[in-house]
Amino acid sequence: DGGITQSPKYLFRKEGQNVTLSCEQNLNHDAMYWYRQDPGQGLRLIYYSQIVNDFQKGDIAEGYSVSREKKESFPLTVTSAQKNPTAFYLCASSIGRDQPQHFGDGTRLSIL
Amino acid sequence: QKEVEQNSGPLSVPEGAIASLNCTYSDRGSQSFFWYRQYSGKSPELIMSIYSNGDKEDGRFTAQLNKASQYVSLLIRDSQPSDSATYLCAVTEAGTALIFGKGTTLSVSS
Repeated sequence: DGGITQSPKYLFRKEGQNVTLSCEQNLNHDAMYWYRQDPGQGLRLIYYSQIVNDFQKGDIAEGYSVSREKKESFPLTVTSAQKNPTAFYLCASSIGRDQPQHFGDGTRLSIL
Repeated sequence: QKEVEQNSGPLSVPEGAIASLNCTYSDRGSQSFFWYRQYSGKSPELIMSIYSNGDKEDGRFTAQLNKASQYVSLLIRDSQPSDSATYLCAVTEAGTALIFGKGTTLSVSS
């Protein structure tokens, strides 16, 4: 089945630690996105990529980093510089920038 | 800062009624509009896309777009308890990605 796979489903981060969230898609979509959702809040864009080896910062990129070495993969690293990382992280992809986005099941990140 | 505004709710309707969800947006250049449904603890699921003024129907769902008023709405006919969820409005912003509203929580009572 085509879709977007995020792993892990739950992740715990220790103080000073970097953690990486995985996002893989087999939909042959060019564009991929990372969002953060806090309780009772909408989705806030962290980073997006419209093509391999290129990505742009979203509204809340500080404390996060990404790479796009393959079309299928768009991992997100939450660095120790992100002081409040507890949230629900969602990866999405779309055929193009103005096209509907389809989401993975998300990763819940918490602080230990 | 481009914005997408939705009433947070909760919007409560009885089973079988019509639920009306509304969304306004600030970017006059927006061309694509989407409605997502998000159940508690789950990821958003695309339910409707609309790109031109007027109505678009898909089963029990109707999306309505009025670009002059910068307004998009979602009607759910014959509401069911399984429709209870948060509904997110999303609008394209020129040059970037989608902008999402904070969502309206719908509660359908049986």
